[in-house]
Amino acid sequence: SAVISQKPSRDICQRGTSLTIQCQVDSQVTMMFWYRQQPGQSLTLIATANQGSEATYESGFVIDKFPISRPNLTFSTLTVSNMSPEDSSIYLCSVGPDRNTEAFFGQGTRLTVV
Amino acid sequence: AQRVTQPEKLLSVFKGAPVELKCNYSYSGSPELFWYVQYSRQRLQLLLRHISRESIKGFTADLNKGETSFHLKKPFAQEEDSAMYYCALMGGTYKYIFGTGTRLKVLA
Repeated sequence: SAVISQKPSRDICQRGTSLTIQCQVDSQVTMMFWYRQQPGQSLTLIATANQGSEATYESGFVIDKFPISRPNLTFSTLTVSNMSPEDSSIYLCSVGPDRNTEAFFGQGTRLTVV
Repeated sequence: AQRVTQPEKLLSVFKGAPVELKCNYSYSGSPELFWYVQYSRQRLQLLLRHISRESIKGFTADLNKGETSFHLKKPFAQEEDSAMYYCALMGGTYKYIFGTGTRLKVLA
């Protein structure tokens, strides 16, 4: 199993500012994933972060808006840039899955942009 | 298009009643299907996966490729089953596609 610490757990931010969310894993993992969950919606994958390479973004998400760092095998950050109220969501960090293990999730960051 | 559909946002049942949470999927290959659960104030966690074919907390789910469904069932609901349930599909790239979730409320 993997234990994921994600912070902050929540924040209220002014529009036009940026917020960096941190994700720390208690073991080394190859792939880390960042999801967004907008109110009443499903979890949507933003990007996959592999150590030593650029993050891979899903359709509809771009690096300028959601820059990701992956400096080592246990840590990643997601920045939500130039925020607008539409960015108000829960952001989740995840590790796994692969063919043999399940996915493990952080507790999420609840972001409100005012 | 790859998609997971959970038609019910909310399902309320009485304690002891059977439960069925519906999940249908659209995928061109052979996906792996999962159910994840989020209890109040807890993080999302795996409930079961179709490959393991096991029963967890009394829940079972059978993959029906003909109907492209993976419904979650439990014969007798308990109050502690109240939670948010997400059906998820994993294709060949280790990425999940989640349904919109069903909130299960088990009434005393």
